Amino acid sequence: DGGITQSPKYLFRKEGQNVTLSCEQNLNHDAMYWYRQDPGQGLRLIYYSQIVNDFQKGDIAEGYSVSREKKESFPLTVTSAQKNPTAFYLCASSISFSDTEAFFGQGTRLTVV
Amino acid sequence: GEDVEQSLFLSVREGDSSVINCTYTDSSSTYLYWYKQEPGAGLQLLTYIFSNMDMKQDQRLTVLLNKKDKHLSLRIADTQTGDSAIYFCAESTPLIKAAGNKLTFGGGTRVLVKP
Repeated sequence: DGGITQSPKYLFRKEGQNVTLSCEQNLNHDAMYWYRQDPGQGLRLIYYSQIVNDFQKGDIAEGYSVSREKKESFPLTVTSAQKNPTAFYLCASSISFSDTEAFFGQGTRLTVV
Repeated sequence: GEDVEQSLFLSVREGDSSVINCTYTDSSSTYLYWYKQEPGAGLQLLTYIFSNMDMKQDQRLTVLLNKKDKHLSLRIADTQTGDSAIYFCAESTPLIKAAGNKLTFGGGTRVLVKP
């Protein structure tokens, strides 16, 4: 089955640690995205990638980093510089960057303890 | 600038129609979307409408777009308990500094369907 897989579903991190969230897609999509969702708020764009080996900052990139070494994979690292990392993180992909019909993964809930 | 607003909460009785409203500010929107999010899950695309259309119907879903007022609505006919979820509207707008488009989401409307 084609789709987007995020792992893990739940993640706990101690303050001061970096943590990496996985996102894999087998839809052969060029574009991939990371969003952050906080309660009662819409999704905010962290980073996006139009094509492999390229990525750009979104609206709230500070404290996050990404890589896009393979078309299928777009991991997100939440660094210790992110002041308020507890949130629900959603990965998405679309056929191309000009096509915003995005398909979403099931999300990773990150909690800092 | 871009801003998408939705009401926070809607309660409806099973079998009635639900209407979820959304307003946006960016007149350069090309597509407008409705997504559904069930608890603890990702977003599921329900339907979308191109900005030069004013209505789209898809089974129980009807999307109405008033481009002059920048108002989008989603009507769900014969609402079922399985329709209880958070519904997000989103607009697609061109990027300023790069080719391509971005999605801007509203804050979501939580719909509760009562039996």
